[in-house]
Amino acid sequence: AQSVTQPDIHITVSEGASLELRCNYSYGATPYLFWYVQSPGQGLQLLLKYFSGDTLVQGIKGFEAEFKRSQSSFNLRKPSVHWSDAAEYFCAVALRGGYNKLIFGAGTRLAVHP
Amino acid sequence: DAGVTQSPTHLIKTRGQQVTLRCSPKSGHDTVSWYQQALGQGPQFIFQYYEEEERQRGNFPDRFSGHQFPNYSSELNVNALLLGDSALYLCASSRTREAYNEQFFGPGTRLTVL
Repeated sequence: AQSVTQPDIHITVSEGASLELRCNYSYGATPYLFWYVQSPGQGLQLLLKYFSGDTLVQGIKGFEAEFKRSQSSFNLRKPSVHWSDAAEYFCAVALRGGYNKLIFGAGTRLAVHP
Repeated sequence: DAGVTQSPTHLIKTRGQQVTLRCSPKSGHDTVSWYQQALGQGPQFIFQYYEEEERQRGNFPDRFSGHQFPNYSSELNVNALLLGDSALYLCASSRTREAYNEQFFGPGTRLTVL
């Protein structure tokens, strides 16, 4: 079945540590790929997106993500986490050739220890 | 630029009632999408409006309906409310409806059904 999977519901890291949030998708053709962040009481903010080309994409707030076709993955990374990064992170896809209907994963809640 | 705005911020209704939520898109955007985000889950696509018509619909019953006005603002109506309709309702706008277009999200309306 077509789906977007974020295997980790909750992740806790120490401030300054590196971070990797996982995302896998299950679609016949590679969709457009997105990572959004949602802070408490706020809407969703786009961190980065992948359409084609270089498989390592840079985003805002020091985040990057790597697309791996062989693994159907689009993992989000940050070398050094700040306390302000505590939020919920959503991976999403939009199907190529279609319209911008986003299909979201269930999200990963990130907690940051001082 | 005010970004995407939604009203009201919070709403409490009882089962069987009807509710209307409102959304003003970002300046220059003509496509509005609505998403439902239940507690602890990722947003689920409800429907999308473009040129004042519903263009795409997710797996939601007919109790969910909408409208888009000539100024591109939009309303989401839910009839015969159920307890399960309690959620954060997010509005998103984009410049056009192609899948590669970034969607900008509003802060949401928190609906509680008692």
